[in-house]
Amino acid sequence: DAGVTQSPTHLIKTRGQQVTLRCSPKSGHDTVSWYQQALGQGPQFIFQYYEEEERQRGNFPDRFSGHQFPNYSSELNVNALLLGDSALYLCASSSSGLGEQYFGPGTRLTVT
Amino acid sequence: RKEVEQDPGPFNVPEGATVAFNCTYSNSASQSFFWYRQDCRKEPKLLMSVYSSGNEDGRFTAQLNRASQYISLLIRDSKLSDSATYLCVVNLHITGGSYIPTFGRGTSLIVHP
Repeated sequence: DAGVTQSPTHLIKTRGQQVTLRCSPKSGHDTVSWYQQALGQGPQFIFQYYEEEERQRGNFPDRFSGHQFPNYSSELNVNALLLGDSALYLCASSSSGLGEQYFGPGTRLTVT
Repeated sequence: RKEVEQDPGPFNVPEGATVAFNCTYSNSASQSFFWYRQDCRKEPKLLMSVYSSGNEDGRFTAQLNRASQYISLLIRDSKLSDSATYLCVVNLHITGGSYIPTFGRGTSLIVHP
């Protein structure tokens, strides 16, 4: 049973560029959430997707957008990258919005 | 006051010790509580859900105190392999009736021989 997968593992971008991160949920899960984790901090909720729609959103600017596909996989897009966007981006899947979440290994984004 | 608070530690304990962590949350209407474990530079892994009646899984016991708005995690007979950061998650009730999964910053545990 494949767990949550994310790609790429690492990414280096320049300030002002755009980035797309990808996530495939655990088999049987239909809800995908995205988090940003800075060093020494807990993960911060960006948004959650269910039935191809954004269901909840945390306190992140519109530069952060996402998409969910019919097969439940998801993308996170970040436009106009800032140095402060450097972090570990985690995807988590669940079978309900408030239930147990299972995390992928994350994408480590460095903005220079 | 932060919405979900944890003492960052580190908690430095010998093998075999019992150690307890607390996590406080700001909104009494919050629901669905969890403990995760995160090893250095790895993703968080679900340790256990926290139920109103309290629950136990081997050496780990989780409890919820709604009146005082905190959850706790007790680890008995600590092992070297328990060394990690322990994150609490609360589905925090926000304006409009929605819930946002909100992590604490984590508590670092170091178990030494």
